[in-house]
Amino acid sequence: DIQMTQSPSTLSASVGDRVTITCRASQSISSWLAWYQQKPGKAPKLLIYKASSLQSGVPSRFSGSGSGTEFTLTISSLQPDDFATYYCQQYNSYSVTFGQGTKVEIK
Amino acid sequence: EVQLVESGGGLVQPGGSLRLSCAASGFAFSSYWMSWVRQAPGKGLQWVANIKQDGSDKYYVDSVKGRFTISRDNAKNSLYLQMNSLRAEDTAVYYCARRVAAATLADYWGQGTLVTVSS
Repeated sequence: DIQMTQSPSTLSASVGDRVTITCRASQSISSWLAWYQQKPGKAPKLLIYKASSLQSGVPSRFSGSGSGTEFTLTISSLQPDDFATYYCQQYNSYSVTFGQGTKVEIK
Repeated sequence: EVQLVESGGGLVQPGGSLRLSCAASGFAFSSYWMSWVRQAPGKGLQWVANIKQDGSDKYYVDSVKGRFTISRDNAKNSLYLQMNSLRAEDTAVYYCARRVAAATLADYWGQGTLVTVSS
């Protein structure tokens, strides 16, 4: 299976900060990468697919980039609603895998 | 509005069985692949199973092969997960999810149902 490694595991930031989360794949996955946001007790929400395509209804402050093995999720100006855990997911192979998650906390 | 509502979770002893259901509404259920994804308490996400629109193709993660069966009833707009020979490591919130066309990622999720395997 392709391993997905996110960094950092936890990130402390303030409202208005620019936040970047990194996801690395153990082998090339082209651009077959998605990002999800999950709040406590809630289901994940799809934010980004195909590395950089914004899902309908997702605010434009969210953006994704990368290809091959290294990817980033950027929140341009952190809002109170953005404090959550973020997961990357590769769907290059038939066996999809998720990163371990990055928790974005209030500083 | 797309809605996915899971039911059937609960406490079961190791080796026992449970059947999860997911009632779908607000979209053409028979036109979509559907999936189950799980999340152990305090842990990350794991894709468990997929089923094609007509039920003719199914995928399972290795850890549940031979124990879990995904199925659907398009006439009832319902998705199911039959779980047999349950183990402690199957304890998780199980989410029903609508799979995006031609890719194993999910654009809509249910609220989840908790399965606890314990004696």
